[in-house]
Amino acid sequence: DAGVIQSPRHEVTEMGQEVTLRCKPISGHNSLFWYRQTMMRGLELLIYFNNNVPIDDSGMPEDRFSAKMPNASFSTLKIQPSEPRDSAVYFCASSERRGQGGDYSNQPQHFGDGTRLSIL
Amino acid sequence: GDSVTQMEGPVTLSEEAFLTINCTYTATGYPSLFWYVQYPGEGLQLLLKATKADDKGSNKGFEATYRKETTSFHLEKGSVQVSDSAVYFCALSDRGGSYIPTFGRGTSLIVHP
Repeated sequence: DAGVIQSPRHEVTEMGQEVTLRCKPISGHNSLFWYRQTMMRGLELLIYFNNNVPIDDSGMPEDRFSAKMPNASFSTLKIQPSEPRDSAVYFCASSERRGQGGDYSNQPQHFGDGTRLSIL
Repeated sequence: GDSVTQMEGPVTLSEEAFLTINCTYTATGYPSLFWYVQYPGEGLQLLLKATKADDKGSNKGFEATYRKETTSFHLEKGSVQVSDSAVYFCALSDRGGSYIPTFGRGTSLIVHP
C-alpha cells in the first residue's frame, strides 16, 4: 500500500523565496495534518484538515504560512516569503476519522518521510 | 489541556540490555495512547497502541501497558538491538477533546554493539 507521499524530500532556497511543500495522503483517509519538527521545539502541529476543510490552524506561526487542501488526495503548505528561521523538517500525516461508535481516538496517524527545508 | 511527558534522552544502552522509556500524561477525557518510532531520515511510524485502561500494546518485542491509575504508558523491551536506535514518541488522542493527537518531546535511544 502506498503511504503518505511528500515532495520534495529536500528543498534549499534563499530567504525571501516562495516555498511550496506537497502532500498526498493515504487513499481513504479523511484527516490530514501538517507538522514542523526542529531540535529546539520538537514536533509542532501547524494545521489540521478534516474532509478537506481546515479545522484548526492555530499552530500556523505567521501569515507567511498558508495551507490548502483542494481535494481529498492533495494538500500544499506554502511559505511566502521564507525566512531562515523556517528551516526545519515538515511532515504531513493522515488518518481515518472513523471509529466504532464515533470514537476516533484509536486511529493512528500515518506520516510521510518529510521535507527537509533549508532557507539560506 | 492535554499533555505528554517523556523522560529526557538520549538513552544509551548496550545490545541485549533491558529498555524502559517513561511516559506520563494528563488528559481532559479518556484517551487512547500510542508509541511512535522515528528512524533517521524518516517520518514517525506507529509502534503500538492501547485504547483502554489495562490494555497492553505490543509490537516487535516492545510492550506498553495503559495504567490509568498512574496516568502512565511506559515503553519496555527485554533485549534491545542496534537496529532499535531511533527516537521514540509517546502520544495520546483524547476522546474528551478534539482527537487531535498530543505528542511528547521524543526520547532518543542509542544502542551500542
